[in-house]
Amino acid sequence: DAMVIQNPRYQVTQFGKPVTLSCSQTLNHNVMYWYQQKSSQAPKLLFHYYDKDFNNEADTPDNFQSRRPNTSFCFLDIRSPGLGDTAMYLCAISGPSPPDTQYFGPGTRLTVL
Amino acid sequence: AQTVTQSQPEMSVQEAETVTLSCTYDTSESDYYLFWYKQPPSRQMILVIRQEAYKQQNATENRFSVNFQKAAKSFSLKISDSQLGDAAMYFCAYLGNTPLVFGKGTRLSVIA
Repeated sequence: DAMVIQNPRYQVTQFGKPVTLSCSQTLNHNVMYWYQQKSSQAPKLLFHYYDKDFNNEADTPDNFQSRRPNTSFCFLDIRSPGLGDTAMYLCAISGPSPPDTQYFGPGTRLTVL
Repeated sequence: AQTVTQSQPEMSVQEAETVTLSCTYDTSESDYYLFWYKQPPSRQMILVIRQEAYKQQNATENRFSVNFQKAAKSFSLKISDSQLGDAAMYFCAYLGNTPLVFGKGTRLSVIA
């Protein structure tokens, strides 16, 4: 059974039109991560939550926001997507055992037209 | 800052043969973790193997094993009896006191 679920799997949006990507987990792990992965590149961490504590990477654009209303769900909001935001967005979790290992969801492929 | 280097952008292997993917890293930390992730064309990032730096024994998961050389800061992945389903991008990753750091990846092709 999938541990990390991402919806939608594919999203197409217009330049400047807000979009929300969702991530849910079935394990109640306390850490959730959002990564951006552009074609032929390694994933780039945008931010992560340790429980409700939000940690933003220094170079994450202000255009990207996140919400974690409860342990199971986390959302990525892109307020005004640009063409350069076309990418795969990966959600990951890590938890108590082992605490260091991240497990990834299937990703949402976002295209900005 | 920690860095992870994968010097082989692409590799290929014949089905049923063995291949080794290389990874080196730079750190001043003594306690950390190392990972290999596989990313097939579906783009799902799948954990292949995990190594704790304080363990001298090399991790093994079925056909996958690592050669962890802590002094040399080297962490190579060996895939034995390669299968067509092993074709993917492989990322080496380091976790210490900072968030997970990925290498640039090695694209592995498996030839039937």
